[in-house]
Amino acid sequence: GQNIDQPTEMTATEGAIVQINCTYQTSGFNGLFWYQQHAGEAPTFLSYNVLDGLEEKGRFSSFLSRSKGYSYLLLKELQMKDSASYLCAASTDSWGKLQFGAGTQVVVTP
Amino acid sequence: DAGVIQSPRHEVTEMGQEVTLRCKPISGHDYLFWYRQTMMRGLELLIYFNNNVPIDDSGMPEDRFSAKMPNASFSTLKIQPSEPRDSAVYFCASSPTWGTGRSYNEQFFGPGTRLTVL
Repeated sequence: GQNIDQPTEMTATEGAIVQINCTYQTSGFNGLFWYQQHAGEAPTFLSYNVLDGLEEKGRFSSFLSRSKGYSYLLLKELQMKDSASYLCAASTDSWGKLQFGAGTQVVVTP
Repeated sequence: DAGVIQSPRHEVTEMGQEVTLRCKPISGHDYLFWYRQTMMRGLELLIYFNNNVPIDDSGMPEDRFSAKMPNASFSTLKIQPSEPRDSAVYFCASSPTWGTGRSYNEQFFGPGTRLTVL
């Protein structure tokens, strides 16, 4: 079956670093997406990985290991506005179909 | 440029009534996706279209749900008859064609329709 697992919640202090892990098991795989969703709002795109390795984009970085079915999103220099749910999503076909994880709620404290 | 537009933003209806949700994708995007989000089940893909043609409707819960895309700028998701368990936030998303100068097709989400069925 298809399975995407990520922790339910993580708490960190402002200025710190948090790493959100995601493991996936899907029948097809065409890349791994991370989306951010603030409460009451729509998901917005953060990053995409299709090859093994690290992609860095400002304070956010994402890593993928296809052989291990594993990805992580690294949030550096945390700010209060980073408090949100972070959704891991696997692209499971060539058309762009996404299978989402349940999301990780990140709480940033002062 | 306008993003994905959804209407209504909120809908409260009674069990058994017909509900129609509407979506206008971003101009030029070839893909349109309908999702449902609940606390219990997270974000689930219901159906998606490519160039107005349904590609995969395996996520549509049952026959009470139907979706159409009569043209490139409009899609509807209909629930008839509605039930309390259909209460959720319904998102529409669109994306450009994979490979047209892009290495991935990021999905752009609309603001969602919060549906409450009493």
